[in-house]
Amino acid sequence: GNSVTQMEGPVTLSEEAFLTINCTYTATGYPSLFWYVQYPGEGLQLLLKATKADDKGSNKGFEATYRKETTSFHLEKGSVQVSDSAVYFCAPITGNQFYFGTGTSLTVIP
Amino acid sequence: GAGVSQSPRYKVAKRGQDVALRCDPISGHVSLFWYQQALGQGPEFLTYFQNEAQLDKSGLPSDRFFAERPEGSVSTLKIQRTQQEDSAVYLCASSLANQGARTEAFFGQGTRLTVV
Repeated sequence: GNSVTQMEGPVTLSEEAFLTINCTYTATGYPSLFWYVQYPGEGLQLLLKATKADDKGSNKGFEATYRKETTSFHLEKGSVQVSDSAVYFCAPITGNQFYFGTGTSLTVIP
Repeated sequence: GAGVSQSPRYKVAKRGQDVALRCDPISGHVSLFWYQQALGQGPEFLTYFQNEAQLDKSGLPSDRFFAERPEGSVSTLKIQRTQQEDSAVYLCASSLANQGARTEAFFGQGTRLTVV
């Protein structure tokens, strides 16, 4: 079946620290891969995506590379800011469904 | 409006009561999804519409859950005889293309349902 394993939180970092949130998946077929972000009090927003192997998605300083051989889509940012505090969801899509991870809560402290 | 709109934002229902949750997708969007998000968990798929056709309802947890999108625009998720385990945030999302294209889905802010 299809599933997502996402790094458990909560994660607390100091401003300007390096961030990695791990995500691995199992999926039938060839999924497209997404990271969604949920800021406090807001709905889910697309952060970045990649649709085929070796593609790199990037947005707002965040990056993730589609690694088909390791079925992974790890999220990275070189220097986090307080405004990056949010919950991050890894979400492959196959067929008609997005499969969401449990979410990783990130808090960035000044 | 500019985004996906859901109403009500909050709903408190007594156990056994029927509820109806509304979703207004972005105008022109073909695909519409409903998800259920329990506290501290990721969203779980409930059902998918392509225009007015409900193509996938494999995630609906029981026959108390029913969704419709009769004119291919607004959708309603109905829960009959609510139980405490139905307490969750119900998310609606829409996307421009059919899901064969795997385009970005835009999410509403959700309806928080509390069954007491």
